[in-house]
Amino acid sequence: AQKVTQAQTEISVVEKEDVTLDCVYETRDTTYYLFWYKQPPSGELVFLIRRNSFDEQNEISGRYSWNFQKSTSSFNFTITASQVVDSAVYFCALSYGYGNKLVFGAGTILRVKS
Amino acid sequence: DGGITQSPKYLFRKEGQNVTLSCEQNLNHDAMYWYRQDPGQGLRLIYYSQIVNDFQKGDIAEGYSVSREKKESFPLTVTSAQKNPTAFYLCASSAPTRTSDRGTDTQYFGPGTRLTVL
Repeated sequence: AQKVTQAQTEISVVEKEDVTLDCVYETRDTTYYLFWYKQPPSGELVFLIRRNSFDEQNEISGRYSWNFQKSTSSFNFTITASQVVDSAVYFCALSYGYGNKLVFGAGTILRVKS
Repeated sequence: DGGITQSPKYLFRKEGQNVTLSCEQNLNHDAMYWYRQDPGQGLRLIYYSQIVNDFQKGDIAEGYSVSREKKESFPLTVTSAQKNPTAFYLCASSAPTRTSDRGTDTQYFGPGTRLTVL
């Protein structure tokens, strides 16, 4: 069965600090995709990144970076020099099966204080 | 602008009433999805549809029904059989699915509908 675990329920940091959000997944599929979404207070989920199981290269996009390690089944997300606007709930998700279904972790609430 | 719209943003329902949540997309996406989010939890899949006139149950379909008569629209009905319907409902869509390459297409989400049962 597919499962995504985000062990950090809530993280608080001060602006400009770096912060890493952890994501651990379980799947028996050999081909799968991992995602990160941001949910600001407005509620809409905003897509951040998609990663396939064959590509373990780390990715950087501005202040955001992602570390994918198949050996530990982890797909962690780091925000460098955090800003107040980064405050949101962040979800890690895994796609599976026919229909491109997603299973989500419980989410991590990130609070960035000025 | 292309996107996914959900209406209404807030919805109040009396116990025992059915209510329908709207989801429309103009992204020309074949696949559409409904998720439910409860406080402090991740999203759970209710129903999904890969093509018009076809849909499948997700993990928590009991008490819900859907239709897919048009590519652009995927309405969700919350029936009186749903025991605990108060939640945040999110609709998503993704580009045409390539059957030989599962799980490749990113799902994009609408703004959500917050349903409260009084």
